[in-house]
Amino acid sequence: GAVVSQHPSWVICKSGTSVKIECRSLDFQATTMFWYRQFPKQSLMLMATSNEGSKATYEQGVEKDKFLINHASLTLSTLTVTSAHPEDSSFYICSARILANTGELFFGEGSRLTVL
Amino acid sequence: SQKIEQNSEALNIQEGKTATLTCNYTNYSPAYLQWYRQDPGRGPVFLLLIRENEKEKRKERLKVTFDTTLKQSLFHITASQPADSATYLCALAWNTGFQKLVFGTGTRLLVSP
Repeated sequence: GAVVSQHPSWVICKSGTSVKIECRSLDFQATTMFWYRQFPKQSLMLMATSNEGSKATYEQGVEKDKFLINHASLTLSTLTVTSAHPEDSSFYICSARILANTGELFFGEGSRLTVL
Repeated sequence: SQKIEQNSEALNIQEGKTATLTCNYTNYSPAYLQWYRQDPGRGPVFLLLIRENEKEKRKERLKVTFDTTLKQSLFHITASQPADSATYLCALAWNTGFQKLVFGTGTRLLVSP
């Protein structure tokens, strides 16, 4: 199947700093990528839909100024958590879809963010 | 708003038995429903997709059923193995939000040798 690479797999940062997470589709072009957040023993919550060359579409309740998403190319989307706080500590996962009509999502390995 | 329910309690079964996991939803039937497997600290991996006009789908030891009257999908793993131990998530997409998948909380499956 298609491969989605996410980096870093884990990161620890101080409160107030910004952290960037990269999501790459390695063997296909992804015009749309999705960013999810997952707390322990909870479901994946969609944060935003990232479209190549245009602004991301954020879900209700997700602060677009805090979670900056850039989808500059067909193979790369980035999520930047700005001015991170301990409550932003979570597991962030990106995904991409090859064909819109199949619906199947290919997920990255996830990035564990811990804000001290 | 749409609600997806999966049994939050872990399912413990003996190796070789059939595991059956349930996914229930409220309100409108989705255009399609998917099942994913997630191991601890990893991203989900796609297993099966079933569309609203399909009743059953199979892939090797996996079988998914979709009952739009009951608003329920069942996910079966036959001849289960300890390696099948993981959390299984169902995810739904509706025509109104076709691009978006909404996930259930998942059910943890533990297969004992």
